[in-house]
Amino acid sequence: NAGVTQTPKFQVLKTGQSMTLQCAQDMNHNSMYWYRQDPGMGLRLIYYSASEGTTDKGEVPNGYNVSRLNKREFSLRLESAAPSQTSVYFCASSGTSWASSNTGELFFGEGSRLTVL
Amino acid sequence: QKEVEQNSGPLSVPEGAIASLNCTYSDRGSQSFFWYRQYSGKSPELIMFIYSNGDKEDGRFTAQLNKASQYVSLLIRDSQPSDSATYLCAVNNDYKLSFGAGTTVTVRA
Repeated sequence: NAGVTQTPKFQVLKTGQSMTLQCAQDMNHNSMYWYRQDPGMGLRLIYYSASEGTTDKGEVPNGYNVSRLNKREFSLRLESAAPSQTSVYFCASSGTSWASSNTGELFFGEGSRLTVL
Repeated sequence: QKEVEQNSGPLSVPEGAIASLNCTYSDRGSQSFFWYRQYSGKSPELIMFIYSNGDKEDGRFTAQLNKASQYVSLLIRDSQPSDSATYLCAVNNDYKLSFGAGTTVTVRA
């Protein structure tokens, strides 16, 4: 039972390089999310997708783009990485219906640790 | 003002004691409130949720909600070393969760 799968788990980039973090869920969830976690700052929402075909900005979207490829997959792209984007990134999903998507119980992937030099 | 504020840690409690964690939120329209536990190097996992004013108990955990005061808390009774983790308060707002910075709890054996 995979749940939410993120790749890669670790990545080191140089400033200005680009990369895409991949996320897939097998729970038939409607909503998917990308968070970043930095020491002392908790989880901050980057982008979310309430349902297939929609994406919206969260609290810290600058420097990122997302694609909701289908119901299962939600990717996060860094077009030109900066040291300030060094962080742990978590993908999460929730809800098999509109009502359950809006309750807020999230299922998280294992995280992707990104370092930008 | 941050949307979700938690009492600053770290919080150190002896084994068997009660750990008390507090959280306040700014959006009066929020309807759902969550406590997640995160072990070091791991992803957060849900331990409690509460929607209505009052107390909700689940084993050794009790969540308390006061919407008028915009306050939610978590009590951990009979604390065990395995409870040592960071506890994140989260508040639902229209398809997305806002998280507090977390409170790190250490249970001393």
